Amino acid sequence: LAKTTQPISMDSYEGQEVNITCSHNNIATNDYITWYQQFPSQGPRFIIQGYKTKVTNEVASLFIPADRKSSTLSLPRVSLSDTAVYYCLVTRSYQKVTFGIGTKLQVIP
Amino acid sequence: GAGVSQSPSNKVTEKGKDVELRCDPISGHTALYWYRQSLGQGLEFLIYFQGNSAPDKSGLPSDRFSAERTGGSVSTLTIQRTQQEDSAVYLCASSIPTGAPQETQYFGPGTRLLVL
Repeated sequence: LAKTTQPISMDSYEGQEVNITCSHNNIATNDYITWYQQFPSQGPRFIIQGYKTKVTNEVASLFIPADRKSSTLSLPRVSLSDTAVYYCLVTRSYQKVTFGIGTKLQVIP
Repeated sequence: GAGVSQSPSNKVTEKGKDVELRCDPISGHTALYWYRQSLGQGLEFLIYFQGNSAPDKSGLPSDRFSAERTGGSVSTLTIQRTQQEDSAVYLCASSIPTGAPQETQYFGPGTRLLVL
């Protein structure tokens, strides 16, 4: 599976939009992009998944350009409760997923 | 509905002792995963079960680690002769394997293991 690269940490003020970009240059045709969120002392939680263009749910939006070599997770108007680690994964059926270190987002009052 | 549960939530043991960690997946989820997360690190894949079979054991760090699953439900991860480097959070996840990339894993809260 393609390796992913994302920033180790980010800070944001409450109420701002946060964009976390992930690089996956070697993504294959059958791969999807999946994002998980992990709060302290909890297991990761699925946020959103996409293949191309844009996906939106009640939590976040995911933007994927045509070449699919990167993706951007967008969190609108973050609050203190959005402080967490965000993992970008490239997933393919019947393949184990690999969680990297993720991006530690700190929301500041 | 009930999520994935793990027990114990915390475990402190002495070096050289054996420990057993338990995972109760979501009812009906046939796929079960074990991961290990050391402090400040990402998740390290350990083993994957489909039903009671483990088609992928590639992540088990040594022969001191073993896992089993019975009745297609509860799974136990056993660490023999624990070492201090085994200290970590052990996470269990379950899913309904669809064969599609959209398969979502549901994680438990983890067991925090400390080996003194």
